[in-house]
Amino acid sequence: EVQLVESGGGLVQPGGSLRLSCAASGFTFGSYWANWVRQAPGKGLEWVANIKQDGSDKYYVDSVKGRFTIFRDNAKNSLHLQMNSLRAEDTAVYYCARTYHSSGWYWGFDYWGRGTLVTVSS
Amino acid sequence: DIQLTQSPSFLSASVGDRVTITCRASQGISTYLAWYQQKPGKAPKFLIYGAPILQSGVPSRFSGSGSGTEFTLTISSLQPEDFATYYCQHLTDYLPWTFGQGTKVEIK
Repeated sequence: EVQLVESGGGLVQPGGSLRLSCAASGFTFGSYWANWVRQAPGKGLEWVANIKQDGSDKYYVDSVKGRFTIFRDNAKNSLHLQMNSLRAEDTAVYYCARTYHSSGWYWGFDYWGRGTLVTVSS
Repeated sequence: DIQLTQSPSFLSASVGDRVTITCRASQGISTYLAWYQQKPGKAPKFLIYGAPILQSGVPSRFSGSGSGTEFTLTISSLQPEDFATYYCQHLTDYLPWTFGQGTKVEIK
């Protein structure tokens, strides 16, 4: 069974840092692109970042560029998001999600974790 | 960035109703569109991809259509478990992979 389990969320002051982790199991983690998606309280979904299977390519939404870093450890089946210079507007549930790909293209996020809540507040 | 606009943002319907949600893209995205269902406090669930392709295990009352800039998600006969918020998302070459703002389907 495919499972994604996030951890590392919590309360942090503005300007602080936090590292999120996502433990993957039930599939060959290193064969898939992986993503972080967030959802602010009462709001919609926002794609944050993704990373290629071997970690060689990474992409970010503009609002987190230069502050967040996505990385992965395929040997440990884990995905991470290092978040620095946190702002109140980064408050959200953060989900990790697997990219479904087929025939050379990307079709959606077929598995999601349950999410971890990050609260940025003084 | 490619903007996705869903309509309506809120929909009130009864069990058994046929429901249609529209997702419009700010530029052509071929059929690189996915739909998700999200219930309160839960992660999104992958429903449809490639515009019309149903993900394995999703009931056949769900269907998707469209290409280019206009897409629809249809629920042919609304069931109690379908009351949720629905999101579209594009997955083209043009990052970020944005989501629509969501359509909340509530019980009338």
